[in-house]
Amino acid sequence: GENVEQHPSTLSVQEGDSAVIKCTYSDSASNYFPWYKQELGKGPQLIIDIRSNVGEKKDQRIAVTLNKTAKHFSLHITETQPEDSAVYFCAASERNTPLVFGKGTRLSVIA
Amino acid sequence: GAVVSQHPSWVICKSGTSVKIECRSLDFQATTMFWYRQFPKQSLMLMATSNEGSKATYEQGVEKDKFLINHASLTLSTLTVTSAHPEDSSFYICSARNFHSLNTEAFFGQGTRLTVV
Repeated sequence: GENVEQHPSTLSVQEGDSAVIKCTYSDSASNYFPWYKQELGKGPQLIIDIRSNVGEKKDQRIAVTLNKTAKHFSLHITETQPEDSAVYFCAASERNTPLVFGKGTRLSVIA
Repeated sequence: GAVVSQHPSWVICKSGTSVKIECRSLDFQATTMFWYRQFPKQSLMLMATSNEGSKATYEQGVEKDKFLINHASLTLSTLTVTSAHPEDSSFYICSARNFHSLNTEAFFGQGTRLTVV
């Protein structure tokens, strides 16, 4: 089955700097790669996703890149703000199968 | 994004009692709903997958007689924790997807904090 590795487990950045979180996956059949932000005591919130037919997707300060050959994808947050502080999870799945999550990255943005 | 409502957001129950958690997709039809369990500072662990009108498929190690899942309609799934014990205390989260559409994004509920005393 699919296995998703996520790094780093914790990340601290200064406000205004960029943050990058990386994930690798094992199943070449996976074709959907979402990223979720989870705040304390809340459910995960979808922030961006990418499918295997594209290599990059951007939404304002957030971007995701996908390298299918290497089986890795990354989340990029630019101009970080204190409200970006949360736990971020990557996930992977084939169509119609459950998401497999990485272990999460705790991002702290220091003002 | 789509809205998935989970209720209650927190519940405290006595050992031996049962607790029902509801998950509703408010603005789309969820062909499939997923139930996860999350321990503090850990990732989401898939418990079961339920398709509307079908029996749920449970992950290895999850007791189907203890965690009863019902998915009677395209907008509602319920998880009932039966004969709860303190070790069942956890954060339970549901997720809803529509695999019959082009958009198969997974949306999550707010989670339910269960404490068994």
